[in-house]
Amino acid sequence: GAGVSQSPSNKVTEKGKDVELRCDPISGHTALYWYRQSLGQGLEFLIYFQGNSAPDKSGLPSDRFSAERTGGSVSTLTIQRTQQEDSAVYLCASSQDRNTGELFFGEGSRLTVL
Amino acid sequence: AQKITQTQPGMFVQEKEAVTLDCTYDTSDPSYGLFWYKQPSSGEMIFLIYQGSYDQQNATEGRYSLNFQKARKSANLVISASQLGDSAMYFCAMAGSGYSTLTFGKGTMLLVSP
Repeated sequence: GAGVSQSPSNKVTEKGKDVELRCDPISGHTALYWYRQSLGQGLEFLIYFQGNSAPDKSGLPSDRFSAERTGGSVSTLTIQRTQQEDSAVYLCASSQDRNTGELFFGEGSRLTVL
Repeated sequence: AQKITQTQPGMFVQEKEAVTLDCTYDTSDPSYGLFWYKQPSSGEMIFLIYQGSYDQQNATEGRYSLNFQKARKSANLVISASQLGDSAMYFCAMAGSGYSTLTFGKGTMLLVSP
């Protein structure tokens, strides 16, 4: 597709289960970002990829969070042993290169942990 | 460290009037970029306008203009001739040197009334 695609759009899970969120960036975009947006809050930076490497993982809240990117394209954000405070919208964005700063966002994956 | 402050949690404006959304920032980076994004109720983040710290002129994009006052560290968004479709959350964001991440403010909810 033309834009950033994220799946699932909605995920409800039980506390303690693992979840995987997927992001398919715009074709040709080398930079990929994950952000988290809790209800009524701004965007919290999680991780940034340039190609397949992640030079900045500083935003990952705990070791239960991990992310990978393969083939310079699709990225997966994994949350292990989910907690209720993980409930949020997880937004993925991509940009053509890291120096433009203009990010194109997907519509997000809404995670609800019961 | 970078910080973005949006002091207006909500703003009301009548259709066809102009409105200014405030944004102040703090950074030690000599070079940086400032961005505004719109987030309608659908949740998608939409890029509106960009201002580089060394740009001599204020950025404009259609009905959007950025009132950049470097000495005051402010980057206010001005929307002229408001439309009902402008009702949304508006986020100010900043990228420091390298543009590896965007730091977002908490946002301002704009409601445009007929």
